Amino acid sequence: GQQLNQSPQSMFIQEGEDVSMNCTSSSIFNTWLWYKQDPGEGPVLLIALYKAGELTSNGRLTAQFGITRKDSFLNISASIPSDVGIYFCAGHLPTDSWGKFQFGAGTQVVVTP
Amino acid sequence: NAGVMQNPRHLVRRRGQEARLRCSPMKGHSHVYWYRQLPEEGLKFMVYLQKENIIDESGMPKERFSAEFPKEGPSILRIQQVVRGDSAAYFCASSPPGLVTDTQYFGPGTRLTVL
Repeated sequence: GQQLNQSPQSMFIQEGEDVSMNCTSSSIFNTWLWYKQDPGEGPVLLIALYKAGELTSNGRLTAQFGITRKDSFLNISASIPSDVGIYFCAGHLPTDSWGKFQFGAGTQVVVTP
Repeated sequence: NAGVMQNPRHLVRRRGQEARLRCSPMKGHSHVYWYRQLPEEGLKFMVYLQKENIIDESGMPKERFSAEFPKEGPSILRIQQVVRGDSAAYFCASSPPGLVTDTQYFGPGTRLTVL
C-alpha cells in the first residue's frame, strides 16, 4: 500500500504567494525526488535529494531532505501562473531495487492572478 | 535528442481484448521503468527492466500483465484479457546506464480505457 503521505492534497493560492508541501512516511528513505506533472503529460523531475538534512534549490523551488530521513519538504516562492500543476514526491527505500520509487498521491496547486 | 516516446497516447479496448503499450527510451538509456497512475492518485511502480532482463517486477500483477525490453526495439507492456479496472494512465520512464538510476525521465503516458 501507499507508504508516503503527501499534504496538502490541494492548494489554492494567489500569484506571488509562497507554497509549501511535504511528504512523510513511517519508513526511512535514502533518496527523495520531487516531480511536477502537467495535465496530459508525464512527470518532470524538479529536484533530487540524497542526504539527510540536504537543502537544494532550483530557481524558485527549494526542497529539503528531513533529518529523520522520513520526510521531505518542497517550497515554491513567489508563485506564478505556470506553477499550476500536480506536484509529487517520490522516495526510494534502501531495501528496494534502484529503479523502484514510491510516489505520494500528489498536491494539486492552483494559482489565481 | 528526443525524449521518452510512448505510443499510442490513447488506447481503447473492450473487456477481454489485449492491450500493447510501447515505450522507446531516450537515446543511450538502457534502463526502463513502467508505472501505472489511477485518477487522483500518484504513480505506482510496476516493473524495472534493462535490455533483455527484468530486474524488478514486484509491482506487476501476477496474471495478465507482462513486460519486455528486447535487445532491439521498444519496451512493451502487454495486458491480456483487459478488465475495466485496468483503465489507467501507464507511464514509462528511462534512465542512463550506471549505478545511480534516480534520474528517471518520463514519457507522456498511454491512457488506456477499457469499455
